[in-house]
Amino acid sequence: SAVISQKPSRDICQRGTSLTIQCQVDSQVTMMFWYRQQPGQSLTLIATANQGSEATYESGFVIDKFPISRPNLTFSTLTVSNMSPEDSSIYLCSVELAGGLQFFGPGTRLTVL
Amino acid sequence: AQSVTQPDIHITVSEGASLELRCNYSYGATPYLFWYVQSPGQGLQLLLKYFSGDTLVQGIKGFEAEFKRSQSSFNLRKPSVHWSDAAEYFCAVGDSAGGNEKLTFGTGTRLTIIP
Repeated sequence: SAVISQKPSRDICQRGTSLTIQCQVDSQVTMMFWYRQQPGQSLTLIATANQGSEATYESGFVIDKFPISRPNLTFSTLTVSNMSPEDSSIYLCSVELAGGLQFFGPGTRLTVL
Repeated sequence: AQSVTQPDIHITVSEGASLELRCNYSYGATPYLFWYVQSPGQGLQLLLKYFSGDTLVQGIKGFEAEFKRSQSSFNLRKPSVHWSDAAEYFCAVGDSAGGNEKLTFGTGTRLTIIP
């Protein structure tokens, strides 16, 4: 398994501002993923982040709204830009380890007023 | 595209009783299947996985799941639930096309345990 941490664990933000969420893992991993879990809903994949290349976004998600950085093999950030109340969700990062298993961070609970 | 259906939104079970959570998937090839559990305010924890081989897989916390290709199902079971099993359970299918594992999740089943 892997130890994955996210910062912040929760935040309350004003409409129109941006928030950057950090994801740190205790080992080097190639694949990192960012998911969104809207209130009472399941998880939806936002993008796949590989070190050294541009993130790959899923349908319905765009780089201008959710820019992602992946500067090294243990760290990634997701920014939620120009936030609106509809962006209120839990944002989770995950990593894929050998054997194709994904492990998830504890999540960042975002509330947009 | 793959999809996952969890028909039961909410299940209530007495402590000590058996449990079965249903999961049906749609995928063009042999699927990679997973069950995750999310306790209140927590992240997701992997319970078990199926990649290939034995269709009955054992996981952590006494859970098991059986892959039935003919029924496109991967139901989660536990013979005797404990109050600490109260949580949200998610079934997921992995898409290995393109060389990475993009997970598609079901909508989840909330499990309530009553004394």
